[in-house]
Amino acid sequence: AQSVTQLDSQVPVFEEAPVELRCNYSSSVSVYLFWYVQYPNQGLQLLLKYLSGSTLVKGINGFEAEFNKSQTSFHLRKPSVHISDTAEYFCAVTMDSNYQLIWGAGTKLIIKP
Amino acid sequence: DTGVSQNPRHKITKRGQNVTFRCDPISEHNRLYWYRQTLGQGPEFLTYFQNEAQLEKSRLLSDRFSAERPKGSFSTLEIQRTEQGDSAMYLCASSPSRGTPYEQYFGPGTRLTVT
Repeated sequence: AQSVTQLDSQVPVFEEAPVELRCNYSSSVSVYLFWYVQYPNQGLQLLLKYLSGSTLVKGINGFEAEFNKSQTSFHLRKPSVHISDTAEYFCAVTMDSNYQLIWGAGTKLIIKP
Repeated sequence: DTGVSQNPRHKITKRGQNVTFRCDPISEHNRLYWYRQTLGQGPEFLTYFQNEAQLEKSRLLSDRFSAERPKGSFSTLEIQRTEQGDSAMYLCASSPSRGTPYEQYFGPGTRLTVT
């Protein structure tokens, strides 16, 4: 069965510092990979996606992620975080024609002033 | 385009009561998904429609749950005889069937509390 693991439930980081949120998945077939962000009391918003091609993908708000097939990882990074990045971040994969998303448990990004 | 909307945003009900939630997808989107999200977890897939046809249901969707999408527009999710374990955020998402079908757009969710 396919699964997604987000290794950290919370990541505290100082403002303007870099951050990496980790995501690993298990699948024997090709996948599409996504990061979604959920701000407090709001719905899920697509941050970025990997479909094919370049393994480094850029998203909104200065985030980027790198697909590593050999390590089955899709880690999210930002070189300098801002207080407004405080949110929960979810990694998700889909691998069938129905595009049903399989989700990680989420990582709360906590920005320390 | 106003995005995906869900109503109500919050629902508090007593155990044993029936509840119904509504989702209005983005107007040109053929695909519609329901997910459930409990505290501290990622969303879990419940069911999927393409137009009015319900094409897939998760094992999570017990016989107390039913979803419909008449005429392929809005969708409803009904829970009969609610239990405390049904307390969760119910999320609806839609996507187009062409172009970017993998790109799901989410509504704000309906938070259900069963007392």
